[in-house]
Amino acid sequence: QSVLTQPPSASGTPGQRVTISCSGSSSNIGSTFIYWYQQLPGTAPKLLIFRNNQRPSGVPDRFSGSKSGTSASLAISGLRSEDEADYYCAAWDDSLSGLWVFGGGTKLTVL
Amino acid sequence: QVQLQESGPGLVKPSQTLSLTCTVSGDSISSDNYYWTWIRQHPGKGLEWIGYIYYSGTTYYNPSLKSRLTISVDTSKNQFSLNLSSVTAADTAVYYCARGYGGHSTHSFDYWGQGTLVTVSS
Repeated sequence: QSVLTQPPSASGTPGQRVTISCSGSSSNIGSTFIYWYQQLPGTAPKLLIFRNNQRPSGVPDRFSGSKSGTSASLAISGLRSEDEADYYCAAWDDSLSGLWVFGGGTKLTVL
Repeated sequence: QVQLQESGPGLVKPSQTLSLTCTVSGDSISSDNYYWTWIRQHPGKGLEWIGYIYYSGTTYYNPSLKSRLTISVDTSKNQFSLNLSSVTAADTAVYYCARGYGGHSTHSFDYWGQGTLVTVSS
C-alpha cells in the first residue's frame, strides 16, 4: 500500500487531454514539492516534472503538473501513442525520520 | 552525457547479503548537490526508495530497510554501492541506481541506471 494514492489506470484517445491524480497528506505533498516520473515498458523511469510544475529540458510542453494542498495532478494534452506508460508521483515525506515516497503508479493506455 | 550502470549478482540465496555497485560516468560523484540513490521495483509493482549517499559519506536510509542496509561510496572509482543483508524472497526486485539533483529533500532523480534484476532464491 503506497503512501501516495494514484488511480491504477487511465486511458484516452489520441489528441485527448488526460489527467492523473496523486493524493497524499500534510507530511508529504502538503509540505513539499511533487515530482512525476514516466516509465515506458521495460525501461527505467524518466523524470517528467520536478518541483510541482517544472519540466526538464526535452520534455514536451504537452506535459504539465500542478499541486493544491495535499493533492497533485499530471496533465497530458494532445495524447500520443508513445505516451502509453506507467506514471509515478513522488514526494519527500517528513514522517518518521524522512524518506522519499512514491505513488503506486498509473498505467496510461492510449486507445 | 551522464550514465549510471548497475552491476552485481542476479541471484542471491536467502539469508545472504545482496551487493550491487553503481558506476557513474560523465560526471563526478564528488560534485555538490548530488544524492546518489538506490531505488527498487518489485516485479509488477511500484517504486520503493531504498536510500542515498552524498559524496562526503552522509547517508539516509528508508526506515523499513535501515537495519539491514549499508550504502557506501568510492570516490576514486566514481562508484557507490548497496549492501542489503539477510535477504528474503521479498527482496526480489529490479534495483535501480539514480542521481538525485537538488537539495536533501527536494532533489529530482534525473539520471537512472537501466536497472538490474536480483532474485532471492535457493
